Amino acid sequence: NAGVTQTPKFRVLKTGQSMTLLCAQDMNHEYMYWYRQDPGMGLRLIHYSVGEGTTAKGEVPDGYNVSRLKKQNFLLGLESAAPSQTSVYFCASSHREVEAFFGQGTRLTVV
Amino acid sequence: QQQVKQSPQSLIVQKGGISIINCAYENTAFDYFPWYQQFPGKGPALLIAIRPDVSEKKEGRFTISFNKSAKQFSLHIMDSQPGDSATYFCAALPSDTGTASKLTFGTGTRLQVTL
Repeated sequence: NAGVTQTPKFRVLKTGQSMTLLCAQDMNHEYMYWYRQDPGMGLRLIHYSVGEGTTAKGEVPDGYNVSRLKKQNFLLGLESAAPSQTSVYFCASSHREVEAFFGQGTRLTVV
Repeated sequence: QQQVKQSPQSLIVQKGGISIINCAYENTAFDYFPWYQQFPGKGPALLIAIRPDVSEKKEGRFTISFNKSAKQFSLHIMDSQPGDSATYFCAALPSDTGTASKLTFGTGTRLQVTL
C-alpha cells in the first residue's frame, strides 16, 4: 500500500518553462490537495478537489492549474514557471474525515 | 494573514527533557486542532489531534493541552528522544467543512533533541 505518491521528487526548471507534477493515491480518497511549503510560511493550499472531475482554488492558486480526470490522480501544472514558484510541493488526500495523508514532496527550483 | 501563530520557530531540548510548542488562533469557528510531524525529506504526518470539548489529550509521550478561553493550544513531548527531532506543525480547521480544504497551518517548529 503506497499511500500518496508524487512524481517527480526533484526538478529544476528555467523561468518560463512548463511542467506537470503528478500525484497518485491508492486509498480511494475522494478529496485531494496540493500544498506548497516555504520556509517560515508553513503549508499553504494551492488547489484542491472534492471528487473526480472537480477542482477548486485554495489560498495561493495564481500561476497554477490542476486537473482531476481520474479519482486516484491529481495533477498540478505550472504553465510558465517563475522563480517565486521555487518551493517544496506536497500532495495530500483524505476521505470525508479531516485527516490528510501527505506524499513525500517534490522539490522544485526555478532558475 | 496568519490565522494560526506558532512558537517557537526552533527548539533544542536535551534527551529526556520536555519539549513544548505553542499555538494561538483567532478564528472562534475552529474546532479541530491537529498536530503534524514532519521528518526531513518526508511529508507531514498526523501525530495527534484534539477537539475543544476536552482540555487535554494524551497519546503516549505526546500531549495536547487546549485552552478554549485563551484560544491557545500546545504540544508537550515528554521524555524527548533524538528520534523526535523533526518539524512540528499545528493546524486548525473550522467546523463548517467536512474536508481538510480549510486546514490552516502554523509556520512550524523545528525541534532538535540532543544527546
